[in-house]
Amino acid sequence: EADIYQTPRYLVIGTGKKITLECSQTMGHDKMYWYQQDPGMELHLIHYSYGVNSTEKGDLSSESTVSRIRTEHFPLTLESARPSHTSQYLCASSALTPGEHSYNEQFFGPGTRLTVL
Amino acid sequence: AQRVTQPEKLLSVFKGAPVELKCNYSYSGSPELFWYVQYSRQRLQLLLRHISRESIKGFTADLNKGETSFHLKKPFAQEEDSAMYYCALGSPYGNKLVFGAGTILRVKS
Repeated sequence: EADIYQTPRYLVIGTGKKITLECSQTMGHDKMYWYQQDPGMELHLIHYSYGVNSTEKGDLSSESTVSRIRTEHFPLTLESARPSHTSQYLCASSALTPGEHSYNEQFFGPGTRLTVL
Repeated sequence: AQRVTQPEKLLSVFKGAPVELKCNYSYSGSPELFWYVQYSRQRLQLLLRHISRESIKGFTADLNKGETSFHLKKPFAQEEDSAMYYCALGSPYGNKLVFGAGTILRVKS
């Protein structure tokens, strides 16, 4: 079944630890995105990718990094987690060319709620 | 620059009352507008898009280019409509979506 998966769903970790949030999709989409959803529930785009070996920074500056080695996989890494990184992280994907869905239509994963102590 | 404004952070209505969630956008070209919804403990999901002119769960939204608005409406609110609603704007090139700050809709019994 076509879907977007994020693991872990919840993560509590201490300051200074390196973490990787996983995102994978079986939607057959080329474009993928990472958003940070703050406590006020605003969505901020932090990274996006048009395809393999393509990564771009989003509108909100983030200390995280991303990679896109495989089309279906778009992990996000924090080298040294800090309490300010505590947030909900949402992964999304969309088609590169319009077809059944507009290429603006994004599909979201369930999110990872990160707490850094 | 593309911008989406949702002026209300919280909208509280009684069950059966009409609902209007406001969305205004700023974009010089031909926009593509969406409404996304996030129910409690569920993922963000598409509610409707202006190009399909459809009604989903009783909600409709009309793109008004003159007023640069895309307000979401429902004639009779139900308790299960309580959720966070985001208006989003896409460009014809489809690079990314710009989201509004969101409006929490609370439907009281």
